Amino acid sequence: SAVISQKPSRDICQRGTSLTIQCQVDSQVTMMFWYRQQPGQSLTLIATANQGSEATYESGFVIDKFPISRPNLTFSTLTVSNMSPEDSSIYLCSVEAGGSHSGANVLTFGAGSRLTVL
Amino acid sequence: GQNIDQPTEMTATEGAIVQINCTYQTSGFNGLFWYQQHAGEAPTFLSYNVLDGLEEKGRFSSFLSRSKGYSYLLLKELQMKDSASYLCAVRDSNYQLIWGAGTKLIIKP
Repeated sequence: SAVISQKPSRDICQRGTSLTIQCQVDSQVTMMFWYRQQPGQSLTLIATANQGSEATYESGFVIDKFPISRPNLTFSTLTVSNMSPEDSSIYLCSVEAGGSHSGANVLTFGAGSRLTVL
Repeated sequence: GQNIDQPTEMTATEGAIVQINCTYQTSGFNGLFWYQQHAGEAPTFLSYNVLDGLEEKGRFSSFLSRSKGYSYLLLKELQMKDSASYLCAVRDSNYQLIWGAGTKLIIKP
């Protein structure tokens, strides 16, 4: 399965600032997924990053708040803009491995970026 | 709306067996996944069910009943390292993954 390097692993940020999270995959993938995981809650998909086109955002998430770049098939960034304490969460990038388990597209995740906004 | 329910927390004893249940209500069904997530780490894949029945993989087994919208993850011969959160996720008819909030499993000696 793919190996994903994600950074930063954690950061403490001031209200109103922005932070960019980077994800590097060791193989070329068509889609990369950005998730948010708030304490005690489900993984929530923020957006799907496609190389060469605009990211596709899920309901409740907008490009101005979470701009995404996907310059090539192995790299993506997610920026959390104009942060508030409500943005304190773990942010995870992930990719799919097609058909590796009984036909399932299994997700492989980066280690996550734990952001605390003061 | 789409919904996945699993217990928030469970406690079990080292060496014992524990069953973590997951019930789901989704728009269609295209497979159910179980992931394990240790504290501070990324989720890792455990099992996948798309047909009814039991899938066994070493100490871990996963069961699915599509008619009941129900799955469970069975962990045998529990070890301390099994202390983690276990996430249930269902792929719906649009191939979107719907995630449960996870079950935190605490293993006691």
